Amino acid sequence: ELKVEQNPLFLSMQEGKNYTIYCNYSTTSDRLYWYRQDPGKSLESLFVLLSNGAVKQEGRLMASLDTKARLSTLHITAAVHDLSATYFCAVDNNNDMRFGAGTRLTVKP
Amino acid sequence: EAGVVQSPRYKIIEKKQPVAFWCNPISGHNTLYWYLQNLGQGPELLIRYENEEAVDDSQLPKDRFSAERLKGVDSTLKIQPAELGDSAVYLCASSPPGSTYNEQFFGPGTRLTVL
Repeated sequence: ELKVEQNPLFLSMQEGKNYTIYCNYSTTSDRLYWYRQDPGKSLESLFVLLSNGAVKQEGRLMASLDTKARLSTLHITAAVHDLSATYFCAVDNNNDMRFGAGTRLTVKP
Repeated sequence: EAGVVQSPRYKIIEKKQPVAFWCNPISGHNTLYWYLQNLGQGPELLIRYENEEAVDDSQLPKDRFSAERLKGVDSTLKIQPAELGDSAVYLCASSPPGSTYNEQFFGPGTRLTVL
């Protein structure tokens, strides 16, 4: 059974600092997604990673995928308050989408 | 382009009562998903439709949950009777045909509280 684990589950960081969120998954997959969810809102797609070594960047967020290690990372550069949200990774295995538990990020001034 | 529409946004019912949620996917999206999201957790798939056919309902508790997508467009998810443990957010998502990477677009969800 496909399992997806994120860590940390909670992250409090100061503005301007860098940090990385990790997403490990248990079975082979070549499609990994990162979503953002604000409190009381729905999930917003951030990145779709389709192949080993894929790297995508949008603003202060950069996502990468290592299919051999079954690991994806979401790196935050020079965090700002607007990045406070919950971030989910999800792995697609033959149209069976499994989500991690989410990382609740709080960026403090 | 309008996003995925869900209604109601909030629902409070007493246990053993029935409840229904409605979802209208993005126009042209033939794949529709219903997810359950418990507090502090990621979404869990309940059922996936390809047009009007339920192609994956293995995680749907069929003793009390049912879903339909009669014309392959909008969909209804029903719980009868509701239990306390059903309190959660029910998310609907859709994806377009022929997508090479199955990107899903989520609606705002229906927050269900069972008292």
